[in-house]
Amino acid sequence: GENVEQHPSTLSVQEGDSAVIKCTYSDSASNYFPWYKQELGKRPQLIIDIRSNVGEKKDQRIAVTLNKTAKHFSLHITETQPEDSAVYFCAATFFTGGGNKLTFGTGTQLKVEL
Amino acid sequence: DAGVIQSPRHEVTEMGQEVTLRCKPISGHDYLFWYRQTMMRGLELLIYFNNNVPIDDSGMPEDRFSAKMPNASFSTLKIQPSEPRDSAVYFCASSLGQGQKALHFGNGTRLTVT
Repeated sequence: GENVEQHPSTLSVQEGDSAVIKCTYSDSASNYFPWYKQELGKRPQLIIDIRSNVGEKKDQRIAVTLNKTAKHFSLHITETQPEDSAVYFCAATFFTGGGNKLTFGTGTQLKVEL
Repeated sequence: DAGVIQSPRHEVTEMGQEVTLRCKPISGHDYLFWYRQTMMRGLELLIYFNNNVPIDDSGMPEDRFSAKMPNASFSTLKIQPSEPRDSAVYFCASSLGQGQKALHFGNGTRLTVT
């Protein structure tokens, strides 16, 4: 099955700086890579996703890059703000016709300090 | 849309008791997932359904756990008998259609077994 590793487990940045979270996956057939943000005590919410036919995707201050050869994908947050503080999860899946069986990374606790 | 609705939000029970968690997916969504979240193991997929039919229950930890989806708008996850190690946050999520689609999570049920 799929295995997703995520680093770092904690990340502290100053407001306005950039934050980068990296994930690797094991199944070269994986073709969908979403990122979820989970604020304390709340549910995970999708913030951005990328498909295997795309190398990079950007949405305002958030971007995701995918390197299929190396089986790496990363989340980039620019101009960080205190409200970006949360746990971020990467995930990967290979769609087999039976639905999205997402495998999640272990999460990164991001703290944006004033 | 009210989103995925889970009940109860919190459940405290004694070891050995039966626990039933409930989920109402987003109307029209045909995939439903049950996840468990703990600090040690992160987000684990327990089971998922397509059109009310269980597709993959390989993540269900043991026979004490069972899940049903009697209709398109309701699912239950039951633990009988419960044990302290079952303490976790249980999330239900739904998605629409096949392919690379985002999961929409409910607010979760925080289960504490004493």
